[in-house]
Amino acid sequence: GAVVSQHPSWVICKSGTSVKIECRSLDFQATTMFWYRQFPKQSLMLMATSNEGSKATYEQGVEKDKFLINHASLTLSTLTVTSAHPEDSSFYICSARDPGRNTGELFFGEGSRLTVL
Amino acid sequence: AQRVTQPEKLLSVFKGAPVELKCNYSYSGSPELFWYVQYSRQRLQLLLRHISRESIKGFTADLNKGETSFHLKKPFAQEEDSAMYYCALSRSSNTGKLIFGQGTTLQVKP
Repeated sequence: GAVVSQHPSWVICKSGTSVKIECRSLDFQATTMFWYRQFPKQSLMLMATSNEGSKATYEQGVEKDKFLINHASLTLSTLTVTSAHPEDSSFYICSARDPGRNTGELFFGEGSRLTVL
Repeated sequence: AQRVTQPEKLLSVFKGAPVELKCNYSYSGSPELFWYVQYSRQRLQLLLRHISRESIKGFTADLNKGETSFHLKKPFAQEEDSAMYYCALSRSSNTGKLIFGQGTTLQVKP
C-alpha cells in the first residue's frame, strides 16, 4: 500500500523556538497533502491543504504565519510551527492521496507529537 | 456547513456481541463517507467507504441519506476490534479533503 512517513515522530522544544515537521510520500507522488492536528482524545482537525508548487490553503481559524507550510516537491511537505508556545503542543498528522488509486482513500503518516516547554 | 457527529465517545461490549457505532453527517450535497480505524500505537487507516459497499473484517456500513447516517456495524465483535473509529466525510474523492467526526473508542471485553 501507499506509505506516508513523518519525521520526527516526537519533538520537545522551548517556548519561542520554531519546529519543522516533514511529511513524505514514499512510493507515490502527491500534489496535495493534508495537515491535521489532534488534541488528546479528540478528533482530527484539518489545518491546511498543502499544494505542490503553490501556496497552502488554510482552514478558517488557522494562522498561516504561525503554521508555515511548504510543499516543494511531489513527495515532501513540511509544517513549521513558528515561535512555538505551550498551547501549540499537540499531535500533528499529515496525509496524502495516491492519485494512482481512484478510491478517495487518504494515507496517513504516523504523526508527530510536539511538546513545547 | 459540513459536519460529522459521532455521539458515543466510548462503546464497550463483550466479545461476540453485536456492535453499532453511530455516525451522522450534515452536508447539502452528495457526500462520500468513510470509516477510518486507529489501532493502539498504529496510524490511522481506512476501514471502509460507502461507495464500495464492501464488508471489511466483518464490518459493514450503509449510507442512509434520509437519516443522514452512516452507522458502522458488526454482528459479532472480536477483541481485536478494540480501537478508535472515526467517521469521515468528503465532498469529493478528487479533493481528498476529509472532515472527521469526534471518534468512538470501541472496547471489546473478553
